[in-house]
Amino acid sequence: AQTVTQSQPEMSVQEAETVTLSCTYDTSENNYYLFWYKQPPSRQMILVIRQEAYKQQNATENRFSVNFQKAAKSFSLKISDSQLGDTAMYFCAFMSTQGAQKLVFGQGTRLTINP
Amino acid sequence: SQTIHQWPATLVQPVGSPLSLECTVEGTSNPNLYWYRQAAGRGLQLLFYSIGIDQISSEVPQNLSASRPQDRQFILSSKKLLLSDSGFYLCAFSLQGSYNSPLHFGNGTRLTVT
Repeated sequence: AQTVTQSQPEMSVQEAETVTLSCTYDTSENNYYLFWYKQPPSRQMILVIRQEAYKQQNATENRFSVNFQKAAKSFSLKISDSQLGDTAMYFCAFMSTQGAQKLVFGQGTRLTINP
Repeated sequence: SQTIHQWPATLVQPVGSPLSLECTVEGTSNPNLYWYRQAAGRGLQLLFYSIGIDQISSEVPQNLSASRPQDRQFILSSKKLLLSDSGFYLCAFSLQGSYNSPLHFGNGTRLTVT
């Protein structure tokens, strides 16, 4: 079974700084999808960014980008010019392309942006 | 566009009472449906998923059950709640047959069993 590990339970940075959240996963598959979700204090789960494993180019969405290292099974999220509204729990998630479409989540990183 | 509705938002129930959480999806047919639980503000644990009516899979043995009475309706139930059932429950859907389709989540239900 696939597992997703987020080794940073909490992080804190100053507004406008750049922060990188780490995520590693374990799978024997060659093709899969990876996602980052954000959960603000409202607890709504919001998709931040997604990456297809067969694409070498790292995904970007405005201030959010990923560093996808397939061989290392690493999928980190970089937030540039961080804003107070980025304060949230961030979850890394894995979806296999075999069998049912299920997301496996990491334990999350609580990110606080300080003014 | 697709939307998902989940209710109630908050629920306080005594131990031993029944439970029914409901989730409906609009704007798409035959979605994949999911129930996740989040304990203590940490990771999400998949409880049930469904790829169609009468096709429901359970991921972990527990005191809960799920049903899908209609194509876009997913219900999480319990006959007798336990204290350990307290948590934040999230319903989600994805588009059938598309691994690139992310999960879209409802607003969640905060369940407190007293």
